[in-house]
Amino acid sequence: SAVISQKPSRDICQRGTSLTIQCQVDSQVTMMFWYRQQPGQSLTLIATANQGSEATYESGFVIDKFPISRPNLTFSTLTVSNMSPEDSSIYLCSVQLAGGYEQYFGPGTRLTVT
Amino acid sequence: QQPVQSPQAVILREGEDAVINCSSSKALYSVHWYRQKHGEAPVFLMILLKGGEQKGHEKISASFNEKKQQSSLYLTASQLSYSGTYFCGTMGFQGAQKLVFGQGTRLTINP
Repeated sequence: SAVISQKPSRDICQRGTSLTIQCQVDSQVTMMFWYRQQPGQSLTLIATANQGSEATYESGFVIDKFPISRPNLTFSTLTVSNMSPEDSSIYLCSVQLAGGYEQYFGPGTRLTVT
Repeated sequence: QQPVQSPQAVILREGEDAVINCSSSKALYSVHWYRQKHGEAPVFLMILLKGGEQKGHEKISASFNEKKQQSSLYLTASQLSYSGTYFCGTMGFQGAQKLVFGQGTRLTINP
């Protein structure tokens, strides 16, 4: 498995502002993913972040709204831009270790937009 | 396409058994099972690969019917710690990397 940390753990932001969420892993990983989870709902993949290449976004998510950086094999950031109350959610990063298919999740960032 | 889980919720007494099903309309390469407790991150339970064997860990096991694109999670002699929401995640083909999660099954274990 892997130890994954996220910062911040929670935040309350005003509409129109941006928030950058950090994801740090204790080992080098190739695949990192960003998910969104509305309260009581399932996990929805936002994008896949691979080191050295552009992030791949899922349908309904665009780079201008959710820019992602992946500067190295242990770190990634997700920015939620120009926030609206509809962006209130839990944002989770996950990693997939080399040689396997299972994903391990970070503790999540609970975002509230007022 | 999102896999369908059933039931949506189940309430058990400690010591009873439960089965959670996950069904897809598309061919699957792998099925992944996670448990999420309230306010916590999903925790990986097990993965079943196409052509692989049924998996098990203590009193939690799972099967994968490739022909029917279905997987089932079996919890026997349930413990209070088994409470939470269970999600299946499916991968359509080897190398797809990304998972598509079902809507979840909420399991409540009462003393």
